[in-house]
Amino acid sequence: DVKVTQSSRYLVKRTGEKVFLECVQDMDHENMFWYRQDPGLGLRLIYFSYDVKMKEKGDIPEGYSVSREKKERFSLILESASTNQTSMYLCASSLGQRGYQETQYFGPGTRLLVL
Amino acid sequence: GDSVTQMEGPVTLSEEAFLTINCTYTATGYPSLFWYVQYPGEGLQLLLKATKADDKGSNKGFEATYRKETTSFHLEKGSVQVSDSAVYFCALRRGSTLGRLYFGRGTQLTVWP
Repeated sequence: DVKVTQSSRYLVKRTGEKVFLECVQDMDHENMFWYRQDPGLGLRLIYFSYDVKMKEKGDIPEGYSVSREKKERFSLILESASTNQTSMYLCASSLGQRGYQETQYFGPGTRLLVL
Repeated sequence: GDSVTQMEGPVTLSEEAFLTINCTYTATGYPSLFWYVQYPGEGLQLLLKATKADDKGSNKGFEATYRKETTSFHLEKGSVQVSDSAVYFCALRRGSTLGRLYFGRGTQLTVWP
């Protein structure tokens, strides 16, 4: 079974702090994704990566950056946390086949509260 | 651009009732369509998928048929259980978009015994 793990289930940070959210997958997947989930808005893509050191902006990249130094690990960085970044953050990965059928596998999520 | 619209919730049903959650999409080309489910306190997991017109995806008693003429992928189940209480997300993917999915806003389903 594919396993996607996230470093924390719950996180409380203060405004202005630098925040790191870590995601690790154990199935040698090429693609990795970061989403945020907010009530009534569904899932919105922040960034994704299709290879080591490669990244693409999603729909809401402002205020975030990412790092992918190793294939299995994809980090989301909040350079200076703000209260409007309080949310549930979900990481996902997929194999990277160039086809239509690919499934994304999700981690359990990190619920971040910025005070 | 690509987008998914699904019926707003919450949906509240009694056990053994029939379920329909509507999903329509806008996309160029021929996307694949997915339903994901999120149980309380968990991440999303794939429920079913369909990759071309008239395909029917099915899993755990849930079904959805890819209707290109109406650009729809409605989720149905004949008899829901309390354990089906969750948030359901419709999503689409086009092959040219490096694997990214476009999600609907999610529909909360609560089933009462």
